[in-house]
Amino acid sequence: AQTVTQSQPEMSVQEAETVTLSCTYDTSESDYYLFWYKQPPSRQMILVIRQEAYKQQNATENRFSVNFQKAAKSFSLKISDSQLGDAAMYFCAYRRPTGGGADGLTFGKGTHLIIQP
Amino acid sequence: KAGVTQTPRYLIKTRGQQVTLSCSPISGHRSVSWYQQTPGQGLQFLFEYFSETQRNKGNFPGRFSGRQFSNSRSEMNVSTLELGDSALYLCASRQVTNTEAFFGQGTRLTVV
Repeated sequence: AQTVTQSQPEMSVQEAETVTLSCTYDTSESDYYLFWYKQPPSRQMILVIRQEAYKQQNATENRFSVNFQKAAKSFSLKISDSQLGDAAMYFCAYRRPTGGGADGLTFGKGTHLIIQP
Repeated sequence: KAGVTQTPRYLIKTRGQQVTLSCSPISGHRSVSWYQQTPGQGLQFLFEYFSETQRNKGNFPGRFSGRQFSNSRSEMNVSTLELGDSALYLCASRQVTNTEAFFGQGTRLTVV
């Protein structure tokens, strides 16, 4: 079974600084999808960024970028120019391709990101 | 386009009762999946429906069931509620397979 590990239960960063959230995963599949979701206090899960395993190029969405290391099974999220609105729980998630019998999203335990003004 | 809508937002039930939660996906999305979120276990996959058929199921007892209607709306049912079923239940929809899931705001279920 796939597992996703987020080793940082909580991270704190000063506003406008850069922070990196770590995620590692374990899978025997060669093709899969990785995601970062953000869950603010409202509890709404918001997709931040996605990465297809077959793509070598790291995904980027505005201030959010990932460092995808397939061989190391690592998928970290970098947030540049941190803003107060970035404060939330961040979840790393994995999914196999549906054709391979997907089991839904497998989530890590989450990292609570605190932004210091 | 309206997002994923879950009703009700909050629910309080008594142990032993049953409950039905509803999820309306984003228009055009045919895949609906359900997740349970608790402080202890985190986010866990319950099941996924596509075109009215259950495609996948997580490791939950048979008390947890679901269905999907022809308009893609989905319901999940929990029978014989236990205190441990208290959780935030999240629904997510996808347009086609292999794309990202968009989540609703969840239903907070409290079992007393």
